[in-house]
Amino acid sequence: DAKTTQPNSMESNEEEPVHLPCNHSTISGTDYIHWYRQLPSQGPEYVIHGLTSNVNNRMASLAIAEDRKSSTLILHRATLRDAAVYYCILRDRNAGNMLTFGGGTRLMVKP
Amino acid sequence: DTGVSQNPRHKITKRGQNVTFRCDPISEHNRLYWYRQTLGQGPEFLTYFQNEAQLEKSRLLSDRFSAERPKGSFSTLEIQRTEQGDSAMYLCASSLAGQTIAKNIQYFGAGTRLSVL
Repeated sequence: DAKTTQPNSMESNEEEPVHLPCNHSTISGTDYIHWYRQLPSQGPEYVIHGLTSNVNNRMASLAIAEDRKSSTLILHRATLRDAAVYYCILRDRNAGNMLTFGGGTRLMVKP
Repeated sequence: DTGVSQNPRHKITKRGQNVTFRCDPISEHNRLYWYRQTLGQGPEFLTYFQNEAQLEKSRLLSDRFSAERPKGSFSTLEIQRTEQGDSAMYLCASSLAGQTIAKNIQYFGAGTRLSVL
């Protein structure tokens, strides 16, 4: 899977939107962009994924740049429970079944 | 459906001892994965099963590690002759077959934290 680059940490205020960036300049045409997050003392959990178009679900929105070299995970109203490490992962349909995690972004939410 | 279950949640052992962890996946999931996570790092893939067949193994999986999924349901991960460097969180995940790899969603358990003294 191609490499992703994320900031090590970010801070947000409760009830405000959060934009978590991910750079993936070497993305290939068959790579899907997946986001997982890991709450303290938990295993990772799936958040959202997309290919080219922006995606929304009940947890978050995913905005994908037109050239697909970057994407942004958007939490519309951060809560204290959103404090976690967020991982941006590229998955090629022709690659293996494993997930390749980077270091992720640690999101801190202030009350 | 209670999700992916891992036991024990914590294990403390002395160097040189053998340990075994168990993972019970979501019941209809036929794919099962093991990952290892050390402090401050993202999880690293160890191995993957489809039903009872072990289809992929990482180079991280030394010959002291063995994983089984005898009936295609629960899985065990055994570490023989543990070393201090084996101290980590061991995570299990499961997923449903039939989805394309690029869309495949993995569901993780809470992990087993191993401390080797």
